Amino acid sequence: DAGITQSPRHKVTETGTPVTLRCHQTENHRYMYWYRQDPGHGLRLIHYSYGVKDTDKGEVSDGYSVSRSKTEDFLLTLESATSSQTSVYFCAIRGTSGSYNEQYFGPGTRLTVT
Amino acid sequence: AQSVTQLGSHVSVSEGALVLLRCNYSSSVPPYLFWYVQYPNQGLQLLLKYTSAATLVKGINGFEAEFKKSETSFHLTKPSAHMSDAAEYFCAVSANFGNEKLTFGTGTRLTIIP
Repeated sequence: DAGITQSPRHKVTETGTPVTLRCHQTENHRYMYWYRQDPGHGLRLIHYSYGVKDTDKGEVSDGYSVSRSKTEDFLLTLESATSSQTSVYFCAIRGTSGSYNEQYFGPGTRLTVT
Repeated sequence: AQSVTQLGSHVSVSEGALVLLRCNYSSSVPPYLFWYVQYPNQGLQLLLKYTSAATLVKGINGFEAEFKKSETSFHLTKPSAHMSDAAEYFCAVSANFGNEKLTFGTGTRLTIIP
């Protein structure tokens, strides 16, 4: 258990509304990641963070922004949600001492945009 | 750049039979390789990892995988399938240095036939 929680766990929202998903970790990990999971696509990286206020884009970053103002929280924002952003979103952290880039995942947030 | 191909989006095996899930990778540098398992409505759980220490890697729940550089493969096996093995399995790759990101395959859904 890597001490990762995500909130909310489920959300239904309307097209055009802003949405923020929260990832919280309790073990002071430096690296945090946001993925989306869609059938036939596996997991695709949206954004990641390598420290407070240090973030970078992944392969599917369009339409998403992130913020990390403190080590334990990594927020994913959909500025204006679209139906194509209906997905399951996972947060992950990278293991630290003795790790080889493996990542540990939160339970996920199921987002439906109507 | 790294990439992963998982052959077969769905695999069905009888209870007690051999499980073989295929993963081929592409990497311009020596890779780290991982297998993750996802049970319904849960996040991904690390099954095992290859970090160049040994080509045959043993993981949790009786699974193992063999790294074959000549075949660029990292197939996952289990000698005898159990009903509880029904899940989706993901292969992932990372460069062994200078790259903090994982690239995932599209996943293989394993069904166990009683």
